[in-house]
Amino acid sequence: GESVGLHLPTLSVQEGDNSIINCAYSNSASDYFIWYKQESGKGPQFIIDIRSNMDKRQGQRVTVLLNKTVKHLSLQIAATQPGDSAVYFCAEKTSGNKLVFGAGTILRVKS
Amino acid sequence: DTAVSQTPKYLVTQMGNDKSIKCEQNLGHDTMYWYKQDSKKFLKIMFSYNNKELIINETVPNRFSPKSPDKAHLNLHINSLELGDSAVYFCASSHAVSPSGNTIYFGEGSWLTVV
Repeated sequence: GESVGLHLPTLSVQEGDNSIINCAYSNSASDYFIWYKQESGKGPQFIIDIRSNMDKRQGQRVTVLLNKTVKHLSLQIAATQPGDSAVYFCAEKTSGNKLVFGAGTILRVKS
Repeated sequence: DTAVSQTPKYLVTQMGNDKSIKCEQNLGHDTMYWYKQDSKKFLKIMFSYNNKELIINETVPNRFSPKSPDKAHLNLHINSLELGDSAVYFCASSHAVSPSGNTIYFGEGSWLTVV
């Protein structure tokens, strides 16, 4: 499969359970963060974003939490479905107006 | 009605060749990007253009030359291809130079293999 040879963190969850994917970012000056989902053979797809003046934002079945004190971002997916299986990336906007991506986490949903 | 489209999707070529990847977006965005994703899935920005003007150049070898004929197109030309250039190249676009509050939309990727 796609993950062969990859050494990304992997989260395996049972269908219907909640998933939490974590991300540590590096730049305390970053003021905007995005979560992307990348399915096999496709480009990254926007899931949800959050500005640094917020600590929580909710979307449909997804919630992003931001803890600026410890520079930590998390993505919570409620009632995880097989279609959620993908690689998930967090990204931070740095002072150079660039989006810097994290290393990615593989989410596997077991039916 | 693809938002960000890039061609070719797959490209296998020999070392030393010159190749181009084309990208077009129909979202009316004024900023376009090229990202490179390596075999470990690490995604890194290479270039960004705003209204045909180069804004970001991330110390990419000058064998890589982006060209933006208009704000809807950003093509990537690579000279003298090397084995290490093998990767997936993603084109992307957004509404403004600063991605804050403006989602970046990605194309489906171009798989380049240099042999």
